[in-house]
Amino acid sequence: KAGVTQTPRYLIKTRGQQVTLSCSPISGHRSVSWYQQTPGQGLQFLFEYFSETQRNKGNFPGRFSGRQFSNSRSEMNVSTLELGDSALYLCASSAGATGGSSPLHFGNGTRLTVT
Amino acid sequence: QKEVEQNSGPLSVPEGAIASLNCTYSDRGSQSFFWYRQYSGKSPELIMFIYSNGDKEDGRFTAQLNKASQYVSLLIRDSQPSDSATYLCAVRDSDYKLSFGAGTTVTVRA
Repeated sequence: KAGVTQTPRYLIKTRGQQVTLSCSPISGHRSVSWYQQTPGQGLQFLFEYFSETQRNKGNFPGRFSGRQFSNSRSEMNVSTLELGDSALYLCASSAGATGGSSPLHFGNGTRLTVT
Repeated sequence: QKEVEQNSGPLSVPEGAIASLNCTYSDRGSQSFFWYRQYSGKSPELIMFIYSNGDKEDGRFTAQLNKASQYVSLLIRDSQPSDSATYLCAVRDSDYKLSFGAGTTVTVRA
């Protein structure tokens, strides 16, 4: 089975721009979660989608948004980029219908640099 | 704010020794607990998950869960240089959010 695929792997953007990151989950997985990882803050939860519905949300400003399509693929959008948004953005999928116990499987991440 | 805390490390152990990693969590309603390993420059990979009190063994890894004490640990027996990585504790809380600790960096000395 193919793993979680994230594109692009690297992005360089300028402050004020917006960016869209893409994630294709493992085949058959219906839940997709997004995390931001920085050296100072570790892994911070952004949001989780299941069957095209946002099931959970972290404590990030409204500039961070996401969506999930009927084929379970997900996109994450960050608008009005700030220098502090520079980070590794990780997508993870799981099979869980209830979200309770299924482990997450991570993609390789998208490294975003904001200049 | 629901918290997941790990001993900050770094933890240095000689090859062949046992590495012991600890994690505490604040949400008493948490149900699922996971350990991930992350090599430098790579994404986290799942090592083990545990849902019930007690021990769960998988090869050289043992996870221990004590819900009354809100404590989960990971033991790595017969540590190898290839075990050198950052280990992340993750907890699925009562709101079904999966939160991660800051991680403990382990170095295994040959």
